[in-house]
Amino acid sequence: DARVTQTPRHKVTEMGQEVTMRCQPILGHNTVFWYRQTMMQGLELLAYFRNRAPLDDSGMPKDRFSAEMPDATLATLKIQPSEPRDSAVYFCASGASMNSPLHFGNGTRLTVT
Amino acid sequence: SQQGEEDPQALSIQEGENATMNCSYKTSINNLQWYRQNSGRGLVHLILIRSNEREKHSGRLRVTLDTSKKSSSLLITASRAADTASYFCATDAYSGGGADGLTFGKGTHLIIQP
Repeated sequence: DARVTQTPRHKVTEMGQEVTMRCQPILGHNTVFWYRQTMMQGLELLAYFRNRAPLDDSGMPKDRFSAEMPDATLATLKIQPSEPRDSAVYFCASGASMNSPLHFGNGTRLTVT
Repeated sequence: SQQGEEDPQALSIQEGENATMNCSYKTSINNLQWYRQNSGRGLVHLILIRSNEREKHSGRLRVTLDTSKKSSSLLITASRAADTASYFCATDAYSGGGADGLTFGKGTHLIIQP
């Protein structure tokens, strides 16, 4: 059963450290999304890609966040430097096309102290 | 920014009863989707309804869409304890140049009392 894989599942780090989250989308899916979930804000769309090209990253704090797709099997989300307000669960999702249902990974729970 | 908004924020019912959740959105859409999230897990797609459809069924799920009111509802019939989860609506706002990314509401937390 194909699924989206995210690593790590949990990450605890100190303020100022770099954090890298990884996502392996489902093979053949050409859209990849990054979301952040918090109790206060709910699910926020951070960035998304189609055929590895970034379509929109306006949801990300540009000065510290970056999202890339080095190849079709890997998407990364980096935070440098991390801050306590970045603490959240970060989800990656992939879809066969822009209007298709999304398949979510189980998320990376990030805690910045 | 968030496009969809679910109502109610929380719902607690007895097993066997029907559960209805509503979603309102702001701009024109291509389709509307409903997802479910169990605690500590990612979201799981339940059903997609296109903007030219008014009703769709999948097992015990029934979704309606009223584009004139910019609203949708999700009905779960004969609820089970295993239906306890958070339910989200998601829309892909159409902004002329093509579909935008899928945006989610804050969800309805559904509790089914055994």
